[in-house]
Amino acid sequence: EIVMTQSPATLSVSPGERATLSCRASQSVSSNLAWYQQKPGQAPRLLIYGASTRATGIPARFSGSGSGTEFTLTISSLQSEDFAVYYCQQYNNWPPALTFGGGTKVEIK
Amino acid sequence: QLQLQESGSGLVKPSQTLSLTCAVSGGSISSGGYSWSWIRQPPGKGLEWIGYIYHSGSTYYNPSLKSRVTISVDRSKNQFSLKLSSVTAADTAVYYCASGVTRFSLFDYWGQGTLVTVSS
Repeated sequence: EIVMTQSPATLSVSPGERATLSCRASQSVSSNLAWYQQKPGQAPRLLIYGASTRATGIPARFSGSGSGTEFTLTISSLQSEDFAVYYCQQYNNWPPALTFGGGTKVEIK
Repeated sequence: QLQLQESGSGLVKPSQTLSLTCAVSGGSISSGGYSWSWIRQPPGKGLEWIGYIYHSGSTYYNPSLKSRVTISVDRSKNQFSLKLSSVTAADTAVYYCASGVTRFSLFDYWGQGTLVTVSS
């Protein structure tokens, strides 16, 4: 099983500031990495796939980078609606054995 | 735009079988190019993929749950289902159904989730 490790567990950021979230895979997943946003009481929402491609309707302030085992999600200027928990997910295996990271909570500083 | 809605029992006794259904609207479950998934989230914890099924009926399960999981499709009702046998308290979670459109192994559309509690 590919283990996904996210850091930090909690990130305190002021509105308008940049947030940088990290995700590390226990072995290479190439660029088969996605990011999801989850707000309290809601289902997750797909933000990024292919490590850096924004999903339909996702604002340009969200960007992803990385390949192999190290990945980053950057939110360039945090808006009030961006405070949430963010999960990374790898989809590199075949047959699929999809795994998520433990999540990073982005909270208001 | 696809819409998904979970339904099923919210309380299951230990050792019994959890059964959930996901009704799909806004698209056909028989259409090619889609995957139909179940994902769960224990209270206050992270996400765990359970498995998915293609329009063809091929299924893929999380290896850690494979011996207890069955996902099936009912084309006549445009829905898919999850059965998880021999449940314990560790299976208490919010269960989501989701659909992969961009890639089979991604989750583009989600249901709202349903809490299933395992307790006697």
